[in-house]
Amino acid sequence: AQSVTQLGSHVSVSEGALVLLRCNYSSSVPPYLFWYVQYPNQGLQLLLKYTTGATLVKGINGFEAEFKKSETSFHLTKPSAHMSDAAEYFCAAQGGKLIFGQGTELSVKP
Amino acid sequence: EAGVTQSPTHLIKTRGQQATLRCSPISGHTSVYWYQQALGLGLQFLLWYDEGEERNRGNFPPRFSGRQFPNYSSELNVNALELEDSALYLCASSLLSWTVQETQYFGPGTRLLVL
Repeated sequence: AQSVTQLGSHVSVSEGALVLLRCNYSSSVPPYLFWYVQYPNQGLQLLLKYTTGATLVKGINGFEAEFKKSETSFHLTKPSAHMSDAAEYFCAAQGGKLIFGQGTELSVKP
Repeated sequence: EAGVTQSPTHLIKTRGQQATLRCSPISGHTSVYWYQQALGLGLQFLLWYDEGEERNRGNFPPRFSGRQFPNYSSELNVNALELEDSALYLCASSLLSWTVQETQYFGPGTRLLVL
């Protein structure tokens, strides 16, 4: 069965620092992978997705993620954090329905 | 282009009552998905409708049910409400579901509080 694991329920970075949010998936067949962001009291907004093709995927707001089959990983990065990036981030795998990781809350310190 | 809309934004019910939540998908999308986001339990898949039919169901009791209308909008009904049903209920929609990589776009959610 597919599962998604996000390492670290809470990540704190300083403004301007690198953001790295980790996601690993478990599947016998590489799934379709997504990162969503959820701001307080809002729904989920799509950041980026990997389906096929290029393994480095660029998304909105300067985020990108790299699909690594050998590591079954799909980590999310952003070179320089901004205060407005503070939110909860969800990694998800899709096989019809979406299977979500537990979420990582990102805090950005001034 | 309008996104996924959900109503109401907030709903307060008491134990044993029924709740009805509504969702309108993005124009042109035929698939609608429901997810529950409860404190401490993360995001859990509830139901998937496509072309008016229930296609898949998550691990929830039968008192969670729904339907999809000819215009592709959807209702989620929760009968015999329990305190642990308090959660944010998110609806998502996507294009044709036969290609599994279709992206799901989410609405703002309905926050249900059961007292």
